[in-house]
Amino acid sequence: AQTVTQSQPEMSVQEAETVTLSCTYDTSENNYYLFWYKQPPSRQMILVIRQEAYKQQNATENRFSVNFQKAAKSFSLKISDSQLGDTAMYFCAFMKRPSDYKLSFGAGTTVTVRA
Amino acid sequence: DAGVTQSPTHLIKTRGQQVTLRCSPKSGHDTVSWYQQALGQGPQFIFQYYEEEERQRGNFPDRFSGHQFPNYSSELNVNALLLGDSALYLCASSPYRANYGYTFGSGTRLTVV
Repeated sequence: AQTVTQSQPEMSVQEAETVTLSCTYDTSENNYYLFWYKQPPSRQMILVIRQEAYKQQNATENRFSVNFQKAAKSFSLKISDSQLGDTAMYFCAFMKRPSDYKLSFGAGTTVTVRA
Repeated sequence: DAGVTQSPTHLIKTRGQQVTLRCSPKSGHDTVSWYQQALGQGPQFIFQYYEEEERQRGNFPDRFSGHQFPNYSSELNVNALLLGDSALYLCASSPYRANYGYTFGSGTRLTVV
C-alpha cells in the first residue's frame, strides 16, 4: 500500500510571499501520478497541479510549482506571490498507474495567508 | 457547465439507521468515486463505479455499498450507522479515458448521533 506523509500540519505566510509545502510518499511502483489538491472552507477539493512520474520536468501552474524528486520520493509544492484566496487545506495525493483508480491522500497542511 | 453535484449537503442520522447519499457527475464524466473524509484528515477511498459496476474498492466494510445508474449518477448507501461514520463524504468524477484528474463535489456532511 502507498502512504503519503505531510509533515507540516499548519503553515502561515504573509500576502505576496512564498510558502513551500512538503510531501513524501512511499511506493515500490515506477509509474504513478502525484497531485496537490486545495480544499477551501467551501469543502470542494480543487486540483492545483499534477505530476506524472515519468516526466523529469517539474510541473507548473501559474503561481504554483512543484519540486519532484523521484529518487527521494519527495513532492513539494511552492506557492509564489501568496494571495488571501490561497488560504485553504492542501492535500498531497498519489495514484498508481495504469490499473489503479484511487487517490491516496496525506493528512493535509492548513495554509493561512495573512494580510 | 455544472460540476459534480452532491445531495444533501448536511444530514443527521441516528446510530443504527441507514443513509443514502447522491452524486451527479460532471457532464461528460462516466466514472464516479466516493471518499470518506473524517474531521482533520485526508479523504479515504471507498469505491469507484464505472459502467454501473464497482470497479475498485477501498478498505471499507460491506455496510458501505453503492450503485451507479445508466445516466452515470451514483448513490452511496451506508447501513447500520456507527458514530464513527460521521464524516464528510466526497464524490469525484472523471472521464474513463482520462482517469487521472478527478473533479470533486462539495460533499455531504453526515453526523451520526
